[in-house]
Parts: sequence; structure tokens; C-alpha cells
Amino acid sequence: EVQLVESGGGLVQPGGALRLSCAASAFTFSSNAMSWVRQAPGKGLEWVSAISESGDSTFYADSVKGRFTISRDNSKNTLYLQMNSLRADDTAVYYCAKRLMAIWYFDLWGRGTLVTVSS
Amino acid sequence: EIVLTQSPATLSLSPGEGATLSCRASQNINSYLAWYQQKPGQAPRLLIYDASNRATGIPDRFSGSGSGTDFTLTIRSLEPEDFAVYYCQQRKSWPITFGRGTRLEIK
Repeated sequence: EVQLVESGGGLVQPGGALRLSCAASAFTFSSNAMSWVRQAPGKGLEWVSAISESGDSTFYADSVKGRFTISRDNSKNTLYLQMNSLRADDTAVYYCAKRLMAIWYFDLWGRGTLVTVSS
Repeated sequence: EIVLTQSPATLSLSPGEGATLSCRASQNINSYLAWYQQKPGQAPRLLIYDASNRATGIPDRFSGSGSGTDFTLTIRSLEPEDFAVYYCQQRKSWPITFGRGTRLEIK
């Protein structure tokens, strides 16, 4: 089954760090650009970061630039999001998502992993 | 940053009725707009891309139109499973942005 499965979420104190993972299966991961999108509790969708197929190109929302790092390991079919200097407003469900063909829409989403930043 | 404004915030309709949802961009985005549906506790699902193209497996009661700054998602004859939150998203320029959503609720 074609799917994305996120992991690594949890409770972390302000200023702390967390690394999210997204395992891809049943499609050619290395041929697809990927992204992270988050959703704060009861709020809308916010794009966070994106990465090209090879990992050579990365993009970030201003709200996370300098604190979050997106990466991928094509040999492991896995996408990552390293989150440092976490703040309360980073609390959200984090989704990984696959780009549609060569255009920046998202046609496959994981179920998400919840990150809670609180003391 | 391109701001997408969705209206109305909430739309109350009955099954069988038609729905019209709007998304307005703060600047010209050509046809680079998508629509997503999200149900409680679920990930978003891509419905329409590049303003008017249905994604794989999307019923033809869903249609999209518009270009430039004004876009519309039309749902012909609402089914019970269509009641959800709908988001628009632009890909014209970085950062990718989403609208704040329209909640389609049962009247």
C-alpha cells in the first residue's frame, strides 16, 4: 500500500529539540520531492518545509528558518525534520506529504505526528 | 507572501444542495491553486489542482474554476461525506501558503 508514516512526535520543553521521521512505502521515494506541513490544534494548515528529490534543494517557512532542518535518506525511504529551539507555537500535528508529479501540491499525506511544546 | 482568503468561513447546507466556496489571492497566481478536503482526525486530501483539474479518484461532483486572484470550488449535490473543512493552497511562489479554510456543515 502506498503510504507515509510519521513518527518521533511527543512532549518537549520550550527550547528543546526533536527529530521527526516519515517512512515512505510502495512508491519510488527517491523520485519524489517531499514536504512537511503542520496544523496547530483547531487551526488551519501551515506549510513548514520542502525538499527536492535528491535533497540538494530545501525550502523553509520564515517561522522555522534557522531552527528546523529538512533532510532525507533515499536509501532508507525516509524523510526527516530536525526541530531545534522549539517554542510553544510549534505545537501542532506534523504531516509529511508527497509532491504531486513535478508541481508543488500534495497528493499523498501521512496521518501525522503530534508535537507538543510545553513546560 | 501570498495571502489566500477563503469565504465564507462556515457554510451550512443540506445534503443534495450545491455548494460554492471561494478563495481569493492577494496577488495574481495564474491557475496555480489547489483545493483540499479535511475531515476530523484525518489528513487533508487533494481534490483539485491547477484550479480545475480533479485529482485521481475525486468524484466529478467536485469542480474548480478561476484564475488570477479569484477561485471557486463547486460541489454539485452534496453527499453526507462531503461535510468537512476545505482549504485552498497556492504554488505560485515561495512560501507555499494555505487559506484558513471553509467549514462546510450540515444544516
